Amino acid sequence: AQSVTQLDSHVSVSEGTPVLLRCNYSSSYSPSLFWYVQHPNKGLQLLLKYTSAATLVKGINGFEAEFKKSETSFHLTKPSAHMSDAAEYFCVVSDLRTGGFKTIFGAGTRLFVKA
Amino acid sequence: DGGITQSPKYLFRKEGQNVTLSCEQNLNHDAMYWYRQDPGQGLRLIYYSQIVNDFQKGDIAEGYSVSREKKESFPLTVTSAQKNPTAFYLCASSKERDSYNEQFFGPGTRLTVL
Repeated sequence: AQSVTQLDSHVSVSEGTPVLLRCNYSSSYSPSLFWYVQHPNKGLQLLLKYTSAATLVKGINGFEAEFKKSETSFHLTKPSAHMSDAAEYFCVVSDLRTGGFKTIFGAGTRLFVKA
Repeated sequence: DGGITQSPKYLFRKEGQNVTLSCEQNLNHDAMYWYRQDPGQGLRLIYYSQIVNDFQKGDIAEGYSVSREKKESFPLTVTSAQKNPTAFYLCASSKERDSYNEQFFGPGTRLTVL
């Protein structure tokens, strides 16, 4: 069965401190994994993607994520938070099956950044 | 500029009315999707289309209908049969032969039932 669990619904950090948003997944196939960011009343923007190449993936705006197959995790990190990082973040898993892709979105983690 | 446009940005509907949300893309993508987003929840798939003149139900298709007459366009109709239509609706597209199904999203339409 395929699933995505974002372990925290809310995360609060101070500006300039590290960010960690946690994501665990389950897939019977070789999945592709994504992190998207959504600012209020906007669409989703791709931050980064894992597609079975390097396990450490670098994305936009200083974010990166590490694919750990043994832990079935794909946590999103950033060394130093900026006020503009305050948004909602979605972890997404997608795998290719007979008949096409199956894509599931996590419930989201809202990131708050304090001045 | 390549991308996905959705209109209108805000839409108000009286109970019992059908409304149609527009989604257009100029990315030359084969596949298009409609999602519904409610507060505190992830995205739920309403309908998707992998090719012109073909579409499939997603996880929450009841009360919705779609058409795919052109590659660029995938309008969604919210019918009066949809019991709780107030939500944020997102349209997305992807390349059919993309090996990992990266989806590109429009800016969304917020529908409110009065």
